[in-house]
Amino acid sequence: QKEVEQDPGPLSVPEGAIVSLNCTYSNSAFQYFMWYRQYSRKGPELLMYTYSSGNKEDGRFTAQVDKSSKYISLFIRDSQPSDSATYLCAMRGWAGFQKLVFGTGTRLLVSP
Amino acid sequence: GAVVSQHPSRVICKSGTSVKIECRSLDFQATTMFWYRQFPKQSLMLMATSNEGSKATYEQGVEKDKFLINHASLTLSTLTVTSAHPEDSSFYICSASTGSYEQYFGPGTRLTVT
Repeated sequence: QKEVEQDPGPLSVPEGAIVSLNCTYSNSAFQYFMWYRQYSRKGPELLMYTYSSGNKEDGRFTAQVDKSSKYISLFIRDSQPSDSATYLCAMRGWAGFQKLVFGTGTRLLVSP
Repeated sequence: GAVVSQHPSRVICKSGTSVKIECRSLDFQATTMFWYRQFPKQSLMLMATSNEGSKATYEQGVEKDKFLINHASLTLSTLTVTSAHPEDSSFYICSASTGSYEQYFGPGTRLTVT
């Protein structure tokens, strides 16, 4: 079993739709949870970061963490064609400086 | 702020030759740099972690004699793929950190070995 599971997609939605992207994980030591967006042939860029459980909102993006279920989500409201990219979840533990563990990424396609 | 550059952006080399990829943090000092490789439609796989002035720590299964990493300063790390073979063809991405939770990623280098 992988430490982090993420549906690779692709997920196709029409412009304006609400998008839900999800990851599950198995390591209860994970404390920091991130979402990265990666455009084709580019490096990932950090979208959202959450520590422990709870919600965090930034513009059209909302990140949720449910540590009891080991489940994290990223919601995109009013999706735009420019949101078409691969979305990677990543997480790490608390002790010292630990490496990020990435999901496989979900490819999102938003059609005009 | 927090810009990381990589050079070159793409490189084609012949089998058996060596290739060097540079990773620079342009507007901050990176105490730690990471090297990843990414195959098509797959996630980022960490290859090694390097701290300025010390030897890199390689992930299990990554050959340290094949993938030489040097982190000579707080703004520069290099990855040298020695005696490259076609199976080394991949997208190599570096990231840099000041020691906090955030990693800032470079734009990646596409290596093709013919």
